[in-house]
This record gives sequence, structure tokens and C-alpha cells, in this order.
Amino acid sequence: DQQVKQNSPSLSVQEGRISILNCDYTNSMFDYFLWYKKYPAEGPTFLISISSIKDKNEDGRFTVFLNKSAKHLSLHIVPSQPGDSAVYFCAVRYGNKLVFGAGTILRVKS
Amino acid sequence: EAGVAQSPRYKIIEKRQSVAFWCNPISGHATLYWYQQILGQGPKLLIQFQNNGVVDDSQLPKDRFSAERLKGVDSTLKIQPAKLEDSAVYLCASSSSVQGPTYEQFFGPGTRLTVL
Repeated sequence: DQQVKQNSPSLSVQEGRISILNCDYTNSMFDYFLWYKKYPAEGPTFLISISSIKDKNEDGRFTVFLNKSAKHLSLHIVPSQPGDSAVYFCAVRYGNKLVFGAGTILRVKS
Repeated sequence: EAGVAQSPRYKIIEKRQSVAFWCNPISGHATLYWYQQILGQGPKLLIQFQNNGVVDDSQLPKDRFSAERLKGVDSTLKIQPAKLEDSAVYLCASSSSVQGPTYEQFFGPGTRLTVL
């Protein structure tokens, strides 16, 4: 039972353009949403988060949007840089734990 | 501040053998997590400790997996006996509080296990 879905396994974007990564979830009771970034041979690192009482949170080049009616979460990276190439996981807080999506591989071409 | 330490980084064993992984969380972090990440999937929580007590082990295959966190600091995860489907990266993470403002977890580099 996949509670968090990232339907795009990979995304390729030109340097300087916008990257949009998407995530869908099933349970309207989830109250906190996070994005993690993972480089090869490293553990995931926290990127940005948003509470269910908000619909947007911005941190530099990264913005997360939350559409509660659609149960949809997206991460926008503007402008994209080659160093952003990584696997991006969305995660939701469920009780005392995090549930992760399968991840999207982002490749930023220079 | 030192990050989460894990060892070994890589391990190759044959099925039915046993293996153990070690994790040292960030100093002062009360909550420790073990995740299993199978290729092409996101991390899946196996067990969560608060200090040296288990908070959640609902997804831990208890017939073969065990974990302990003696003294509420470092932790070991053991698999005995290993199966082919246990091939995965085992990630350890820690956080200062279960109810922190951002609920941020800090991950170690992981141990890549290959079962032949």
C-alpha cells in the first residue's frame, strides 16, 4: 500500500531552467511533508519541509507547494544547477515516523 | 558537529549467513532509526528507538532481524540468517526529538549489503 507516490522515476533539465518534482499522497490526515536529497554513496539530507497549514514554503532556490485538496506536493528548483543532480525523495509524517516515496532522479545538464 | 557514523560501508555475504551493522548517532540525539532501502525504492523504516526503548518495530521482520540500542547511544542491527531479498542499503538516522519543529532526521551514509 503506497501512501506516498513519486510517479516520475527520472527528470532531465537544462541548467538555469526550472525543475519541478512531484509527489502524491493518499491520506488527508498527514500533517507534515518533507523533501530529502540524496547523492550516490551518501545518506539522504533534509532539503525543505512544509506544514499542512501552509500551501507554500520557500528557501532560496527551493520552493515547496502543497495542494491539500489534490493531495499533491511539488518541489520547484529555480534556477537548476548541475550540483542539484541527485535523487529527491518526498516524505510525509505519519504518527511518529516518516514514510518515503520511491524517489525521482534529477539530472541537470550543463 | 560529527554526523551519523555507520560501519561497515559495504558487506557481501552468502545466504543463510549472519551479518551485523553498527550505527553511532549524532551526539545528544535521543531518537535513532534504522531504514532499509531496496534499489529503486524509498527508505522503509525498520525500527525506531527513543533513548534505549523501542518506539516502533512494526515493520521489522523479527524472525530474522534484531536491533538493540544499549545505553541509549549507539546501535546494532543484525540479520540472521540472511536471505537474497535482504540485499539493500541499510540506513541509520537520528533526530533530537520525535516532535521537533521540522521533524528533520539526519542520515548516515548507509551500509550496502549484498546477499549472494
